[in-house]
Amino acid sequence: NAGVTQTPKFQVLKTGQSMTLQCAQDMNHNSMYWYRQDPGMGLRLIYYSASEGTTDKGEVPNGYNVSRLNKREFSLRLESAAPSQTSVYFCASSERTWDTQYFGPGTRLTVL
Amino acid sequence: AQTVTQSQPEMSVQEAETVTLSCTYDTSESDYYLFWYKQPPSRQMILVIRQEAYKQQNATENRFSVNFQKAAKSFSLKISDSQLGDAAMYFCAYRRVPKLVFGKGTKLTVNP
Repeated sequence: NAGVTQTPKFQVLKTGQSMTLQCAQDMNHNSMYWYRQDPGMGLRLIYYSASEGTTDKGEVPNGYNVSRLNKREFSLRLESAAPSQTSVYFCASSERTWDTQYFGPGTRLTVL
Repeated sequence: AQTVTQSQPEMSVQEAETVTLSCTYDTSESDYYLFWYKQPPSRQMILVIRQEAYKQQNATENRFSVNFQKAAKSFSLKISDSQLGDAAMYFCAYRRVPKLVFGKGTKLTVNP
């Protein structure tokens, strides 16, 4: 039982490049989330998916898109990366949106 | 708006001693959940303990316990018999569905 997994662990992009961060969970959870963590700050919600087939914006959605591919997988896409998107990205999942959230190991993204 | 404040950016404790990390929050809701997450150098966000606001009894998990003062909107974490493996960033979080609102964290150092 791996919990929440994320790929890749590290990534370096140049400004304007695109990429997709992958997240998968094996806990049969309905809800999934993408957060970013910037230095000296806690995590902030980018997008979430309350259940398969739905996605909604969080606090800081600009510059990102998401896809809930199936119940297990929730991807985050940067269409045109900017230096301001340099951050650590965490995926999380929970049984329902009001249940405890469990986090993946994070992806450190640097945009040059 | 709900905010979470951790007033201690850094704390240190001697191995085997007890340390208390502070957290205050602001909310107009009467029923809510609070969490402490641990983030070691590996970056993984690990759930330490959670507290339901409607429960008067303070939550405990082995060496970790909380002092939940609802009227004062205070939620401190006590770590007893500190171990070297407890060294990490600790984040207090308030659940505002669908997201978690995080404080900025407290860096805990454990001295041998």
